[in-house]
Amino acid sequence: GESVGLHLPTLSVQEGDNSIINCAYSNSASDYFIWYKQESGKGPQFIIDIRSNMDKRQGQRVTVLLNKTVKHLSLQIAATQPGDSAVYFCAENIPPRSGNTPLVFGKGTRLSVIA
Amino acid sequence: DTEVTQTPKHLVMGMTNKKSLKCEQHMGHRAMYWYKQKAKKPPELMFVYSYEKLSINESVPSRFSPECPNSSLLNLHLHALQPEDSALYLCASSQDLQDRGRKTQYFGPGTRLLVL
Repeated sequence: GESVGLHLPTLSVQEGDNSIINCAYSNSASDYFIWYKQESGKGPQFIIDIRSNMDKRQGQRVTVLLNKTVKHLSLQIAATQPGDSAVYFCAENIPPRSGNTPLVFGKGTRLSVIA
Repeated sequence: DTEVTQTPKHLVMGMTNKKSLKCEQHMGHRAMYWYKQKAKKPPELMFVYSYEKLSINESVPSRFSPECPNSSLLNLHLHALQPEDSALYLCASSQDLQDRGRKTQYFGPGTRLLVL
């Protein structure tokens, strides 16, 4: 079946540099996307979301970009800090043909920040 | 307030034990979820409750039994588990399942379960 996937399972970044975490999705009907951050021993934490009628959305130090042409989602973290070290998951909403369905999660990318 | 609480934080149980995991939210959310997460893997959906009714059961073995006593509480009853059931069990809630942003899930910290 169709699912959300990731290009890079691990990413190491120098402290202070910008990080880019990628997510490929295969369902062109997906209309809503979320990025979650999961630190070791904790539950996933909502970071930022974006609807399919937008290309870009900015938060505090984070930006999500959506390229519907190539079905690609990215999370950019500016001035990466040690506290950003975590696993990042993207999740998508696939409008169901019938009924209501929850979000579908991607496989995750581990971000390691080198001090 | 976007807090989902889970108890206990850690649980060790034998294969013949019966235990329960608890989850609570006071955000007025009407959809609640149980996930199982193994190390280095994404959360794996187990059950979804919508308006206190079981909406989705992802073919979970009957040794896991969910219960939604009211709109704020979600339990997961465990009985005769296997060692391979050891994992982090996550609870989440969302406004409902109706539409995009309303499906945004907020997660609890999880219960770390070890089955001996």
